[in-house]
Amino acid sequence: GAVVSQHPSWVICKSGTSVKIECRSLDFQATTMFWYRQFPKQSLMLMATSNEGSKATYEQGVEKDKFLINHASLTLSTLTVTSAHPEDSSFYICSARGQESTDTQYFGPGTRLTVL
Amino acid sequence: AQTVTQSQPEMSVQEAETVTLSCTYDTSENNYYLFWYKQPPSRQMILVIRQEAYKQQNATENRFSVNFQKAAKSFSLKISDSQLGDTAMYFCAFTLRNTPLVFGKGTRLSVIA
Repeated sequence: GAVVSQHPSWVICKSGTSVKIECRSLDFQATTMFWYRQFPKQSLMLMATSNEGSKATYEQGVEKDKFLINHASLTLSTLTVTSAHPEDSSFYICSARGQESTDTQYFGPGTRLTVL
Repeated sequence: AQTVTQSQPEMSVQEAETVTLSCTYDTSENNYYLFWYKQPPSRQMILVIRQEAYKQQNATENRFSVNFQKAAKSFSLKISDSQLGDTAMYFCAFTLRNTPLVFGKGTRLSVIA
């Protein structure tokens, strides 16, 4: 149990375009989802926390107009990188926490974004 | 604010041997949760073990066990009978109820045949 999927697993886009990444909890209802960014050989950096039906809470330094997060249902959250630039190239990971847990997060497999 | 420190950037261990990864944290709270996550080359984050701070008994999961020292704010991970598949980045993480995880910088473990 506690499986989280992400789609796509990798994406290449041109500078100036927008990219949407989906995160789904497959076998549980996720009241809270989290989006992370990970640079090579570094730890995970929390970008934002989203609760189902509410606006996301962004970490300091993360541009909310650039990284749009939607959590419209208990099984789906999306991250849209708007007007992508090469510096947005990174590995993006989502995680989900279920209704019955206040602490444990389960992670998706990640999405590698390359902006040309 | 809570912080998590992993002081060993890289470690290596011979196959079938035992290795211990260190983690310390800083918090003024009394009730919290600690985790070890594994990130193999596939980059999928895998939950290895979870510890509730109010439980004195150390958590174990097969070959993985922790040494939780609450007073010292220490949470080390012991891997017994190391296997090649244990090669990965290991992240120590901390959370309070209903808050995001705070991660350490990670320890890169290599298991050598």
